[in-house]
Amino acid sequence: QKEVEQNSGPLSVPEGAIASLNCTYSDRGSQSFFWYRQYSGKSPELIMSIYSNGDKEDGRFTAQLNKASQYVSLLIRDSQPSDSATYLCAVNQAGTALIFGKGTTLSVSS
Amino acid sequence: DADVTQTPRNRITKTGKRIMLECSQTKGHDRMYWYRQDPGLGLRLIYYSFDVKDINKGEISDGYSVSRQAQAKFSLSLESAIPNQTALYFCATSDSGTNNQPQHFGDGTRLSIL
Repeated sequence: QKEVEQNSGPLSVPEGAIASLNCTYSDRGSQSFFWYRQYSGKSPELIMSIYSNGDKEDGRFTAQLNKASQYVSLLIRDSQPSDSATYLCAVNQAGTALIFGKGTTLSVSS
Repeated sequence: DADVTQTPRNRITKTGKRIMLECSQTKGHDRMYWYRQDPGLGLRLIYYSFDVKDINKGEISDGYSVSRQAQAKFSLSLESAIPNQTALYFCATSDSGTNNQPQHFGDGTRLSIL
C-alpha cells in the first residue's frame, strides 16, 4: 500500500512568520510531487509542483524535495491569515493517479 | 465557465437509491478521476480513466461504478446508495504529457444519504 504521510496539525503560526509543512512517502519509485491548498468546503487548488531534488520557489512558496529521504516539504514565507487552509501533499509514479496525504491544517493568526 | 464541472453540486437522497454524479471538462485532458473526501480520511481515489476505453479501480471502488462516455465526460454511479457513502465527491482531470501532470479539480458534489 503506497502511503503519503502528513502531520494533521493544526499548525499555528503568527502573521509574518514562516510556516513549514512536511510530507513523507513510502514509494521510492515516486516521480512527481505536488502541494495543494484546500479551503474548508472548497476544492483542492494546486500551488506547487516539484519533480527533482532540491528547492523550487514561487513567490512566497518554496517546495523542497529529498528523494533519498522520501521527504517533501512546503515553506510559506511571510504567512498571511489568508494562508489559513488545509495543505495536501500528493505523490505519484508515471501512469498512475495521485495519492494524497490527509493534509495539514495551517492557522495563521493576525 | 469552470474548466471541470460537476453536477449536481448538492444531493440528498435515501438509502437504496441509484445515484449518478456527472463530470464534464473543457480542458481537453485525456485523464479523469473520481475521489471522495471524508473528514479525517483525506482524498481517496475511487476510479480513474486515462482514455475513453480505459477504466481503472482505485483504492475504494466497491459500491461504485463509472462510465467514460467521451473524452470530456466521466460519470460516477452509486447503484444502491448507503449512508456511509455520504461524503464530498471530487472529479479531477490531468493532461497525459510528460512528467506526470498535476490534477485539476471540479468544485465537488456534496452527497448525503439518509
